[in-house]
Amino acid sequence: DVKVTQSSRYLVKRTGEKVFLECVQDMDHENMFWYRQDPGLGLRLIYFSYDVKMKEKGDIPEGYSVSREKKERFSLILESASTNQTSMYLCASSPYTTLNEKLFFGSGTQLSVL
Amino acid sequence: QQQVKQSPQSLIVQKGGISIINCAYENTAFDYFPWYQQFPGKGPALLIAIRPDVSEKKEGRFTISFNKSAKQFSLHIMDSQPGDSATYFCAPLYSGAGSYQLTFGKGTKLSVIP
Repeated sequence: DVKVTQSSRYLVKRTGEKVFLECVQDMDHENMFWYRQDPGLGLRLIYFSYDVKMKEKGDIPEGYSVSREKKERFSLILESASTNQTSMYLCASSPYTTLNEKLFFGSGTQLSVL
Repeated sequence: QQQVKQSPQSLIVQKGGISIINCAYENTAFDYFPWYQQFPGKGPALLIAIRPDVSEKKEGRFTISFNKSAKQFSLHIMDSQPGDSATYFCAPLYSGAGSYQLTFGKGTKLSVIP
């Protein structure tokens, strides 16, 4: 079974802190994604990556950056956390050959910014 | 511009009843129509999907109905069970121009009561 592991289930940070959310997948997938999920808003794409050291902006990239130094690892960075970034963050991966027809999600990180 | 409109926001169904969730889309370039299922504390997982060359697909108690002319597709859950209680997302995909990005609906929270 594909496993997408997010490093923290819950995280509490203070406004202005730099925050790192880590995601690791064990199936050698080329594509990796970061979404945020808010009640009533569904899932919104922040950033994605199709290869090592490659990144593309999604629909809501403002206030975020990403890093992909190794194929299995995709990090989401909040340079200066703000209260409006309190949310559930979901990482996902998929093999390039399936053209994203099936995404495999991690269990999410619930981030609270105080 | 909201490309995907999912309804209803929430749904309560008696055990054994039929649950119906609808998804209307605007982009006629969408060419793959999946539904994702998310249980509390977990990430979404692909449940069932359909391509536009067929009007219906059935997998066990789950059926997708697709109406290309109306630009709508729906998820039907027959003989609904308490274990089906989850949030459901439609997420049509456009695979043109190298995009391959899903567009998630806002979700439907289904509660199946005994």
